[in-house]
Amino acid sequence: QQPVQSPQAVILREGEDAVINCSSSKALYSVHWYRQKHGEAPVFLMILLKGGEQKGHEKISASFNEKKQQSSLYLTASQLSYSGTYFCGTGAQGGSEKLVFGKGTKLTVNP
Amino acid sequence: GAVVSQHPSRVICKSGTSVKIECRSLDFQATTMFWYRQFPKQSLMLMATSNEGSKATYEQGVEKDKFLINHASLTLSTLTVTSAHPEDSSFYICSANRVPNEKLFFGSGTQLSVL
Repeated sequence: QQPVQSPQAVILREGEDAVINCSSSKALYSVHWYRQKHGEAPVFLMILLKGGEQKGHEKISASFNEKKQQSSLYLTASQLSYSGTYFCGTGAQGGSEKLVFGKGTKLTVNP
Repeated sequence: GAVVSQHPSRVICKSGTSVKIECRSLDFQATTMFWYRQFPKQSLMLMATSNEGSKATYEQGVEKDKFLINHASLTLSTLTVTSAHPEDSSFYICSANRVPNEKLFFGSGTQLSVL
């Protein structure tokens, strides 16, 4: 079942923060986050495998709340290069390796 | 880092023809590859899981005879869109991972336009 992402779109000025949420009605085993720019392949950001896990890379971080079956992606002090569509992909324990992706959140960072 | 190569990047064909798209893992062996379809401004919809040496596993609603998948080696999976029609026009993209539940490496995608 497809996870639900919110918001659908967000517009920021350079330097502002944003939070993108991803929730599922099914129990989650893993959450992946990817960013895709128009006409290009998605690029991996991070993967969270354990409930309560938090990860970060520079000014992008994420958390995974296993009980709530949701994950959040945090972008701080956004840069122009952060613009793109962010997808979360969820994996179910005991299932195959396949991921089901949310509909995406389009992030636009303006100067 | 691991690289997945997809070819061609763009193809335009006439209605009724078949189109083959290749997906190669360049520096690792991929026993499993995934094929997705993406409409403009929409999500990646998983079409099928390609398994080396065995039949692909198709998602519900995906026509097996329409979208033929062959995973002949540990580094190559192909998707053939048979008797393509305008409604098959879409962005097709493959992915693979080196280890189960590890991050996915995506190909650069193929934009298929059927006239």
